[in-house]
Amino acid sequence: GQQLNQSPQSMFIQEGEDVSMNCTSSSIFNTWLWYKQDPGEGPVLLIALYKAGELTSNGRLTAQFGITRKDSFLNISASIPSDVGIYFCAGQIHSGGSNYKLTFGKGTLLTVNP
Amino acid sequence: NAGVTQTPKFRILKIGQSMTLQCTQDMNHNYMYWYRQDPGMGLKLIYYSVGAGITDKGEVPNGYNVSRSTTEDFPLRLELAAPSQTSVYFCASSPGQKPQHFGDGTRLSIL
Repeated sequence: GQQLNQSPQSMFIQEGEDVSMNCTSSSIFNTWLWYKQDPGEGPVLLIALYKAGELTSNGRLTAQFGITRKDSFLNISASIPSDVGIYFCAGQIHSGGSNYKLTFGKGTLLTVNP
Repeated sequence: NAGVTQTPKFRILKIGQSMTLQCTQDMNHNYMYWYRQDPGMGLKLIYYSVGAGITDKGEVPNGYNVSRSTTEDFPLRLELAAPSQTSVYFCASSPGQKPQHFGDGTRLSIL
């Protein structure tokens, strides 16, 4: 099956620093999604990317859909303590008919030191 | 607007017991999904459904069953619980190609 390589696995940063994480794949995806998961909760969608080369922002978050359609990155600027959590990338492909399956990366654990 | 609701939030089972994890959504989404999340891993798709009466296997379906009698509900059944099924289970829904919305999960331990 398809696999996503998400890096880094974990990050420990100081409040105010910028953060960058990325996902790469050997397969092409039609859509890239970035989710955040807080402890004890389900993943919450941060940004959705639908076109190769697309650059989208959501507040302090910026994500890009790689031009090759095999990678994506997420940047967080001026981190704050509430940014702590696990960030997941997910690639979606239309696998024919009515199938829209997501493949998830293993996540990046972000810790922000106040 | 409740979104995706999962019950129970926590459960401990003995090996060989059975149980049903409940999932309901009030967004009239056609697509629903069940995932499991193990420590340090991403989410693995167990089963999914593209509409009432239609279900299909995901990446890790062994040991599980699902049904989709209504648009709102998508229960996940474990018939003979095994320690390898200890995990956090997430249900999600989406209106087709649009991003999936997740519930808060069911934490299941099998001892």
